[in-house]
Amino acid sequence: SQQGEEDPQALSIQEGENATMNCSYKTSINNLQWYRQNSGRGLVHLILIRSNEREKHSGRLRVTLDTSKKSSSLLITASRAADTASYFCVPSGNTPLVFGKGTRLSVIA
Amino acid sequence: DAGVIQSPRHEVTEMGQEVTLRCKPISGHDYLFWYRQTMMRGLELLIYFNNNVPIDDSGMPEDRFSAKMPNASFSTLKIQPSEPRDSAVYFCASNRQAYGYTFGSGTRLTVV
Repeated sequence: SQQGEEDPQALSIQEGENATMNCSYKTSINNLQWYRQNSGRGLVHLILIRSNEREKHSGRLRVTLDTSKKSSSLLITASRAADTASYFCVPSGNTPLVFGKGTRLSVIA
Repeated sequence: DAGVIQSPRHEVTEMGQEVTLRCKPISGHDYLFWYRQTMMRGLELLIYFNNNVPIDDSGMPEDRFSAKMPNASFSTLKIQPSEPRDSAVYFCASNRQAYGYTFGSGTRLTVV
């Protein structure tokens, strides 16, 4: 199992702006997953993108995957104060998932 | 579905006492994971089960930690004896192969 490396470590934006978080990993994967953790809460699975997919959307979320560069990005459009959380990318070859440090996103109202 | 259910939500105990954390995974999920989260170390995998069988417990920090999964709907993580450095939030998660994990709300353990 490998963990992703999220960048930046912290991001602060105004409500309504878009937030982009990046992720890099080292070895080949079957899929890549993004999770969100609000302060004091459990992690929530946001989206899973398979290695043969390049882009995926879910509501205000857009995830891209570039397997040639071993990188992914998560875009949150029209951010809200409730999007304030830590975001983790998790490249997955096989079980189990290993989580990195994440990106701490602060959305200021 | 009620999701992954953990109990208790909070536990405060004295050093040396036995602590038991409980988890009910989602029905039909064949994997169960125990993680621990601290500010210093982030989210660490302790142990995981597949079809109730422990597959990898290399993340269990010491022999004081033990985990069981007697059936598909219940798992426990036990610490005996507990120490202050065990203070953390302990998460249980479950999934079906190749799908995202569903996490419980966690148990915040404080050992004084």
